[in-house]
Parts: sequence; C-alpha cells; structure tokens
Amino acid sequence: DAGVIQSPRHEVTEMGQEVTLRCKPISGHDYLFWYRQTMMRGLELLIYFNNNVPIDDSGMPEDRFSAKMPNASFSTLKIQPSEPRDSAVYFCASSTLRVPSPYEQYFGPGTRLTVT
Amino acid sequence: AQSVTQLDSHVSVSEGTPVLLRCNYSSSYSPSLFWYVQHPNKGLQLLLKYTSAATLVKGINGFEAEFKKSETSFHLTKPSAHMSDAAEYFCVVSGMTPGGYNKLIFGAGTRLAVHP
Repeated sequence: DAGVIQSPRHEVTEMGQEVTLRCKPISGHDYLFWYRQTMMRGLELLIYFNNNVPIDDSGMPEDRFSAKMPNASFSTLKIQPSEPRDSAVYFCASSTLRVPSPYEQYFGPGTRLTVT
Repeated sequence: AQSVTQLDSHVSVSEGTPVLLRCNYSSSYSPSLFWYVQHPNKGLQLLLKYTSAATLVKGINGFEAEFKKSETSFHLTKPSAHMSDAAEYFCVVSGMTPGGYNKLIFGAGTRLAVHP
C-alpha cells in the first residue's frame, strides 16, 4: 500500500486566500483524522471522520475551517479566508478498528502551510 | 479524561549510550499507549504500542517501553543510541471521544539529540 497520501506537500499563500489541503487514506481504512502541528500548541486533532461522516469536529478552530469527505478515498481540509496564524503543518491520518491493529493511526507526510 | 505528560522536552545523549524518554499518563480506564517518532520534516511513524498484553513492549529500531500501572508510566528506552535516532518522540494515550472512538492524545514531545 502507498500509505496515506497528502497534497500539496508545501503551500505558500497570501492572507485572505482560500487554501485546500487534500488527503487520500489507506484503502480499507474507515477512520480519517486531520491534525495540525505548531510549535506553540503541538499536535492537535481538528476533526475525524468515520465511514465518511464527520464524528467530532470540536478541534476545528474557527468557522474559517471546514472539512469534507465525499467518499472513502478522499478528504479535504479548507481554510477560507486564510490568516498568518494558520501557518502550520497539517497531517492526515487513517485507521481501522479491525485487528490486529485497532486504533493504530497511519500518518501522511503532512502539508506545510505558510500564510504570509 | 485521558492525558499524557512527557517529562523532558529535550534529551541529549552520546552515540552508543542508553536512551531514556519519560512519559506519564492519566486514564480512567485501562489505556492503549503508543510511542511515535517524527524525523525532521517527516510524518509520524509508530515505534511501538501497548494494548494490555505484555507489559514490556518491543518496537522498531531497538526501542522498547515498559507499561507500569502502579507508576502510571510508559517510558521509552534503547540500550545504545544511534545518530539516526535523533528525532522528536511523542508519547500517546488513547482517549474516548463523544463518538465512542478512542482518539489519540499526544504528549508535547521530547526532542532527542545524539552526539558523536
């Protein structure tokens, strides 16, 4: 398996622009997670999906952030409008409850977002 | 509620000497515990996991961790450090979400430096 795939790997944008981050989970995984990593706050869970349905979005910082999962193999995290404080590395992860590795999450390489 | 505390933000060792990264957890039930490693500009990789089987868990690259319920600890060790071990290490505990899924709760991380 190719693992979790994220694109783009790097994104530089100006304040006020819309940013869309993309994620393809591991085939067969039915949970998908979006995390944000910053020096100040460490790793934060933003939202997670089960079978394409958002289950817990309590970590989404503001209404400027939205996430979708239109099918089992694709998810997006959108920021509109973007602000400099959104600069961070955004990780996508996927998992399954099936043994032998229930709850183990597999992380993508991340998208480094810089908002100027 | 579940939480995890990594007792050292930075650890520095010489190549060939033992590594000890300390982690304490808090959980209202028998938790699953993980150690993840993040090399610079990379995603997170699972080192090892404890899921209520053997209390001494062996992981990849010679790392191991011991679950001690009486001390609520899950320290990560390696007998002999290698230069390639230089990275950030995250202790992680599983926690229940409103959706019933055991989400991962990350510690703040310990940055390991290995000197020649």
